[in-house]
Amino acid sequence: GESVGLHLPTLSVQEGDNSIINCAYSNSASDYFIWYKQESGKGPQFIIDIRSNMDKRQGQRVTVLLNKTVKHLSLQIAATQPGDSAVYFCAENYRGGGGADGLTFGKGTHLIIQP
Amino acid sequence: EAGVVQSPRYKIIEKKQPVAFWCNPISGHNTLYWYLQNLGQGPELLIRYENEEAVDDSQLPKDRFSAERLKGVDSTLKIQPAELGDSAVYLCASSLGGRGTEAFFGQGTRLTVV
Repeated sequence: GESVGLHLPTLSVQEGDNSIINCAYSNSASDYFIWYKQESGKGPQFIIDIRSNMDKRQGQRVTVLLNKTVKHLSLQIAATQPGDSAVYFCAENYRGGGGADGLTFGKGTHLIIQP
Repeated sequence: EAGVVQSPRYKIIEKKQPVAFWCNPISGHNTLYWYLQNLGQGPELLIRYENEEAVDDSQLPKDRFSAERLKGVDSTLKIQPAELGDSAVYLCASSLGGRGTEAFFGQGTRLTVV
């Protein structure tokens, strides 16, 4: 099964409102997390990352929160704009038994911005 | 600075035919990844290279998939023979290397097997 998943497949918000996208992970050994944005026909684009020694990190209009106690990650987007419409993936990085240091992605949340 | 470059962008082939994808990572990035992305799903790691060495290919279906990165720069991913279930987007990514470093993705190659 997947070690990273998202609670909602689709999230619809009004333009200008704040968006919160959630992610649950199951591997307690994960120590690095990234949020990616993927627009139709494009590869995933880095938004923001956070390491396990932090519980919050802010970027431009985005904030990532990490709760290691419940293995939960969230992405907050302030004042959403039409250009924020995309699928958002959280991804985790952990040193697996086979030495797999690639990222493990969840299924993604489709963020729809309504005018 | 140029990003990760992949070609072709789209490929349509008949089942049982071979196909190859090419990736040129960002200059200076030692780590290169190939991911597979099915429709509506997140990318899944196929193989990871550190320079020219494949350090993790545990998820690569070795009966039909192969990859190489001979000079530690660009890389090719090959499928032979292709099956209908191989239809997906194949993504290449690169990073400076080391755990916990940002991976940059190319636009991907959309493969359709008919």
